[in-house]
Amino acid sequence: AQTVTQSQPEMSVQEAETVTLSCTYDTSESDYYLFWYKQPPSRQMILVIRQEAYKQQNATENRFSVNFQKAAKSFSLKISDSQLGDAAMYFCAYRRAVSSGSARQLTFGSGTQLTVLP
Amino acid sequence: DSGVTQTPKHLITATGQRVTLRCSPRSGDLSVYWYQQSLDQGLQFLIQYYNGEERAKGNILERFSAQQFPDLHSELNLSSLELGDSALYFCASSVALHMGSSTDTQYFGPGTRLTVL
Repeated sequence: AQTVTQSQPEMSVQEAETVTLSCTYDTSESDYYLFWYKQPPSRQMILVIRQEAYKQQNATENRFSVNFQKAAKSFSLKISDSQLGDAAMYFCAYRRAVSSGSARQLTFGSGTQLTVLP
Repeated sequence: DSGVTQTPKHLITATGQRVTLRCSPRSGDLSVYWYQQSLDQGLQFLIQYYNGEERAKGNILERFSAQQFPDLHSELNLSSLELGDSALYFCASSVALHMGSSTDTQYFGPGTRLTVL
């Protein structure tokens, strides 16, 4: 079974600075997808960024980028120019690549609570 | 706004009771997923439906059941409720135009907060 580990329960960053959240995963599969979701105090789960394992290029979305190290099974999220609105719980998630009829559920890490200091 | 709707937002009930949570997926999405978020268990997958058929089961208790209707909305039924069932229940949907599609991303609804007293 796949597992996702987030070893940093809490992190803080100064506004306008850069922070990196860590995530490692364990899988025996070679093709899969990785995601970062953000959960602000409203509790809504918001997709931040996704990465396909077959792509060597790291995904970026505006101020958010990932460092995907497939051999190390590591998938970290970098937030640049941190803003107060970035304060939230961040979840790393794994989903296997699927063939017809296969399940598509997400396996989540335990989350990292990010505080942004003004 | 993800386009996924869930009702009700909050639900308070007593042990032993039965409740139904409802989810409407984004327009055009055929797959619906249910997740439970609790303090001790984190975010856990419960069950997935695709175009009315059950596709995968996770850590779903026998007291829980779900279905997806012809209009693609889904309901999660929780019965014989216990204190430990108190949690935030999320529904997510994805396109999954056909089960061979591998690029769909799951979008989450706002969740239903269930409190069992």
